[in-house]
Amino acid sequence: NAGVTQTPKFQVLKTGQSMTLQCAQDMNHNSMYWYRQDPGMGLRLIYYSASEGTTDKGEVPNGYNVSRLNKREFSLRLESAAPSQTSVYFCASRFGTLYSNQPQHFGDGTRLSIL
Amino acid sequence: AQTVTQSQPEMSVQEAETVTLSCTYDTSENNYYLFWYKQPPSRQMILVIRQEAYKQQNATENRFSVNFQKAAKSFSLKISDSQLGDTAMYFCASCRDNDMRFGAGTRLTVKP
Repeated sequence: NAGVTQTPKFQVLKTGQSMTLQCAQDMNHNSMYWYRQDPGMGLRLIYYSASEGTTDKGEVPNGYNVSRLNKREFSLRLESAAPSQTSVYFCASRFGTLYSNQPQHFGDGTRLSIL
Repeated sequence: AQTVTQSQPEMSVQEAETVTLSCTYDTSENNYYLFWYKQPPSRQMILVIRQEAYKQQNATENRFSVNFQKAAKSFSLKISDSQLGDTAMYFCASCRDNDMRFGAGTRLTVKP
């Protein structure tokens, strides 16, 4: 019963380094999402992919890129990490696309610290 | 753009009692969905309950129920018979298409 799997769970980077966070789901979901969670704030949407081959910006996309590799996998890349990107990152997926009441299923998160 | 406000950063309740968490949202859309998620210390995001905006009937899931006031754009969560395992952060969220916006959360502590 894997659901949504994120790797790695923890990572420490130096300013300016690059990194790719991996996400995979085995529920045959169409839509996938990347969020960041900062203290005192709820989750904020970085990017999403409504279907294989498409990606769109969310609320806070600056400094990030994404790739929807196939239906299962959706990666998030930090090209030049900055301390402001220190956060907990969550990947989520959902069955259905628009106008869907289906909830998002979340991974366990990646805690990323940038020094 | 949608905004979601949770005005209670922290709340506590005695075990077996009832507690209500508040949430207001602001969207100009007609077709949207509302959710409550629970995040225990393990950091997992767990769906508690969902509500379709076009449905007038309030959603219920066992001990969890909502009071959905569409005109007032209010979506509160009531937890009955609180249990120690309900201790967690609770997030209210509004979703239109693929754009889900979360509130800042309410930290709920259930006391024995």
